[in-house]
Amino acid sequence: DTAVSQTPKYLVTQMGNDKSIKCEQNLGHDTMYWYKQDSKKFLKIMFSYNNKELIINETVPNRFSPKSPDKAHLNLHINSLELGDSAVYFCASSQDLQDRGPETQYFGPGTRLLVL
Amino acid sequence: GQNIDQPTEMTATEGAIVQINCTYQTSGFNGLFWYQQHAGEAPTFLSYNVLDGLEEKGRFSSFLSRSKGYSYLLLKELQMKDSASYLCASMDSNYQLIWGAGTKLIIKP
Repeated sequence: DTAVSQTPKYLVTQMGNDKSIKCEQNLGHDTMYWYKQDSKKFLKIMFSYNNKELIINETVPNRFSPKSPDKAHLNLHINSLELGDSAVYFCASSQDLQDRGPETQYFGPGTRLLVL
Repeated sequence: GQNIDQPTEMTATEGAIVQINCTYQTSGFNGLFWYQQHAGEAPTFLSYNVLDGLEEKGRFSSFLSRSKGYSYLLLKELQMKDSASYLCASMDSNYQLIWGAGTKLIIKP
């Protein structure tokens, strides 16, 4: 199936640990994103990335780092996890915006992170 | 600053019509998106407006007024499966989506 997939779906870990969330899209899209959705349901953009540019939301702590081995993957690595990092993290993808204007974003199923 | 406002929660009856309003204020404007998010699931795309007016797609319609910074999502012939959160998002001049907190729609029989 063509889709945006994320693993793991659930992640429970201790404060201070380092963890990674993986994202893959087979839609042939050029741009990928990471969002954080907190308990109040706000979707906040963390990163957007294509093969030309990484755009970082300046409010994101540098403990969070995106890693893209290729165009179809954008993983999220988190160092020294804190209680406040507990949230749902969504990966999304869209076609390259620069050439054709706004394009719909397609979301992965989300990763529910709980830091104890 | 950038801001998206929409009601936190609305209740409607099965078979009825409901309108969910959204006002936006972003740095530049490249269109207004509506997404549906069922509890525990990912947001899914519903509609996109960049020109003023009404876009109709089946039971769902979306309206945009750029001069007023205003949009609404209209849902007709409500079904129980329409119970979900509806997220309004404005795309700014950097093509970043600025999201509202979502409107939780509760459908009653």
